[in-house]
Amino acid sequence: ETGVTQTPRHLVMGMTNKKSLKCEQHLGHNAMYWYKQSAKKPLELMFVYNFKEQTENNSVPSRFSPECPNSSHLFLHLHTLQPEDSALYLCASSQDSGQTYEQYFGPGTRLTVT
Amino acid sequence: GQNIDQPTEMTATEGAIVQINCTYQTSGFNGLFWYQQHAGEAPTFLSYNVLDGLEEKGRFSSFLSRSKGYSYLLLKELQMKDSASYLCAVWNSNYQLIWGAGTKLIIKP
Repeated sequence: ETGVTQTPRHLVMGMTNKKSLKCEQHLGHNAMYWYKQSAKKPLELMFVYNFKEQTENNSVPSRFSPECPNSSHLFLHLHTLQPEDSALYLCASSQDSGQTYEQYFGPGTRLTVT
Repeated sequence: GQNIDQPTEMTATEGAIVQINCTYQTSGFNGLFWYQQHAGEAPTFLSYNVLDGLEEKGRFSSFLSRSKGYSYLLLKELQMKDSASYLCAVWNSNYQLIWGAGTKLIIKP
């Protein structure tokens, strides 16, 4: 247990569906992150929130929409996805995104787009 | 561009020692992390190096040479549970964390 939880753990959705991924951290951290992990590729940073403000959007397609209502919760809203979006989506948190603190990861959501 | 290179896969024997190398080219440097990721699980923090030299933590040690853009993770007295992927990541001068693709370590009895 890393103190970061993600739901659901597995998700299968069609290209026309709308779904949301949820992340919650119980560590009192101020920064939260969404990553995409595909087989044999480096982790791809998608979004960063620091003190609830989005500080980074790594040229992510608009079919991915993040939401951070408070420092403990992070959502990733999905709509009209493509099959190439199938991957493991990891949420992470750290004390502050502007400092070299280690990041704590959740177990991820395995997404399959059909 | 910025990139991190590490071997895709390594195999070692239980009880032995293995060294996983990582070379990096980034815009500035503010520290290097090693993470362990078991299949289907979250990456977990192993070590952090910001100064040159060796950091030892039990069976695991991590080495850094900033002038060479090089780090390694040394695992001693290998156990079957060490079978996992090992991820190298570098904080650049913009406080962006640049990740390697990971090294899958297979431990054989």
